[in-house]
Amino acid sequence: SQQGEEDPQALSIQEGENATMNCSYKTSINNLQWYRQNSGRGLVHLILIRSNEREKHSGRLRVTLDTSKKSSSLLITASRAADTASYFCATDQNYGQNFVFGPGTRLSVLP
Amino acid sequence: DAGVIQSPRHEVTEMGQEVTLRCKPISGHDYLFWYRQTMMRGLELLIYFNNNVPIDDSGMPEDRFSAKMPNASFSTLKIQPSEPRDSAVYFCASSKGYEQYFGPGTRLTVT
Repeated sequence: SQQGEEDPQALSIQEGENATMNCSYKTSINNLQWYRQNSGRGLVHLILIRSNEREKHSGRLRVTLDTSKKSSSLLITASRAADTASYFCATDQNYGQNFVFGPGTRLSVLP
Repeated sequence: DAGVIQSPRHEVTEMGQEVTLRCKPISGHDYLFWYRQTMMRGLELLIYFNNNVPIDDSGMPEDRFSAKMPNASFSTLKIQPSEPRDSAVYFCASSKGYEQYFGPGTRLTVT
């Protein structure tokens, strides 16, 4: 069964604006990850946040986690055309290395 | 490091034929994952290995699919016989922690 669900399914913004994507999940997790996929490529890991963390930063990326609401958000600040991609959240099943990926958010950053 | 290597990158075959997809994980990684990605179903985990041993194959759609990992540097995913509904992009990923490194994928078309 699918664990994470991203929202919105698609997002279109202008270069320089911020992009926010959300991920909701159903069962308890230990870790949540965000990945990016450029068209025709494999997924690339962006950031991992553990269940005891509330916020993490990496460059222009900011990830938050609210375990009480079973949700996470990915914020990309000052977006660039090169940020155009699909973004996926992946949640573990409270055990092991098995992460389940959501359907993704397609982000288009217009120049 | 060259990253995860997959071959072939594209495969076009006729229904009923055997298809073998190949993957070379990153050296030192002890987990290997096979995923299938389609527009309809998103990214699905088919099977994953730890130290060459299959851990969870519950995602393998049916007996037509089989996967092997004879050593730490090589894995295969075989479909026999192939069907048009198997058309998808198949990704291999490897990891030694939670962060997964994806290969470029094999785009399979079954006519």
